[in-house]
Amino acid sequence: QVTLRESGPALVKSTQTLTVTCTFSGFSLSTSGMRVSWIRQPPGKALEWLAHIDGDDNKFYTTSLKTRLTVSKDTSKDQVVLTMTNMEPADTGTYYCARATVGAPITGWFFDFWGQGTLVTVSS
Amino acid sequence: DIQMAQSPSSLSASVGDTVTITCRSSQAISTYLNWYQQKPGKAPNLLIYAASILQIGVPSRFSGSGSGTDFTLTISGLQPEDFATYHCQQNYNTPRTFGQGTKVEVK
Repeated sequence: QVTLRESGPALVKSTQTLTVTCTFSGFSLSTSGMRVSWIRQPPGKALEWLAHIDGDDNKFYTTSLKTRLTVSKDTSKDQVVLTMTNMEPADTGTYYCARATVGAPITGWFFDFWGQGTLVTVSS
Repeated sequence: DIQMAQSPSSLSASVGDTVTITCRSSQAISTYLNWYQQKPGKAPNLLIYAASILQIGVPSRFSGSGSGTDFTLTISGLQPEDFATYHCQQNYNTPRTFGQGTKVEVK
């Protein structure tokens, strides 16, 4: 049974650094064809993909936030951590982690399991 | 970055209706297109991947089609549990990008 769960602060202040942790079970990031992604959603707005990491420690970031994001993993704990620096009120939203898997090369990657999300509010 | 545009942004429908949502990408993405359903306060749920492949457990009233830049999600015979927001997402390249969402509301 695959599960993911996000944890982190509910409230951060402007200019502070956000650290959110994704703890997962039911799969191994070391398995080929697995990644963990971070996706966020401001209240009432669209989903925004932020970053992903795979078992070989390959990391990719969204273009607009690349300088503020770092994703890392702790394989021994089955955890993936996202840090975002210099937080501002526009970063308020629900932060999700999701498992990305590839069915076959022709199908590409998709997010088949998601955590419940953690709401982060940035105060000015 | 590839931009994804959904239309309409919202629609009103009744139980039993057939609903079609469109997603257009800013460049050709073959069939690297996924659809998700999201209910209020919940995480998105994968419905369709590779433009037309139904995820396990998803009812057959959901279907997807398209390739290149134009894609559609169709719900045939809308059920009460289908009132939700639907998102398309491209996985042709990184960064992954989502459409702005389409909210299906009760008429």
